[in-house]
Amino acid sequence: KAGVTQTPRYLIKTRGQQVTLSCSPISGHRSVSWYQQTPGQGLQFLFEYFSETQRNKGNFPGRFSGRQFSNSRSEMNVSTLELGDSALYLCASSLGGGAVRTEKLFFGSGTQLSVL
Amino acid sequence: ILNVEQSPQSLHVQEGDSTNFTCSFPSSNFYALHWYRWETAKSPEALFVMTLNGDEKKKGRISATLNTKEGYSYLYIKGSQPEDSATYLCASRGSQGNLIFGKGTKLSVKP
Repeated sequence: KAGVTQTPRYLIKTRGQQVTLSCSPISGHRSVSWYQQTPGQGLQFLFEYFSETQRNKGNFPGRFSGRQFSNSRSEMNVSTLELGDSALYLCASSLGGGAVRTEKLFFGSGTQLSVL
Repeated sequence: ILNVEQSPQSLHVQEGDSTNFTCSFPSSNFYALHWYRWETAKSPEALFVMTLNGDEKKKGRISATLNTKEGYSYLYIKGSQPEDSATYLCASRGSQGNLIFGKGTKLSVKP
């Protein structure tokens, strides 16, 4: 069974540009959540999608957006990039997004975004 | 606001030592507590998901306990090995929704 796939693995952008990151969940998983990891910080929750609907959103500005397609693949978009957006972006998939209490997350390898 | 705290921030032990870390979380509206291991250049991988007060989970030399009434969980590693070197993350899910992660405990095991 293929794991969670994130593309691209590395990305270099300049300030003001926009970027789109992609996440393909494990087959059959309907929930995809996104996290930002910066040095000294824990994984910061961005948002969660379940069956094409945003179910939860973290405390990030509106420049961060996402969507989920009917095949459960998800994309995350960041517009008007700032230097502080440089981070590792991880996505994670699960069957029902916590619908079952013991449900765990399966993480992708992440996209390392550098904003110059 | 859900706040998950982990201590210590980092830990250096010798091979063969046993060690433990702490995760504290708000006890109100508790739903589930997760532990993940994150090795360098890899993806975080789930160790345990616990939901019941007093729950204990074990996987090889690693075990965890949960106290939902006081809002803490301990992760124990018995006889640490160099391959145990990783960052250990805990995360709590409240009844309202998303998983909130702590900043992790970075463990280094010297041969």
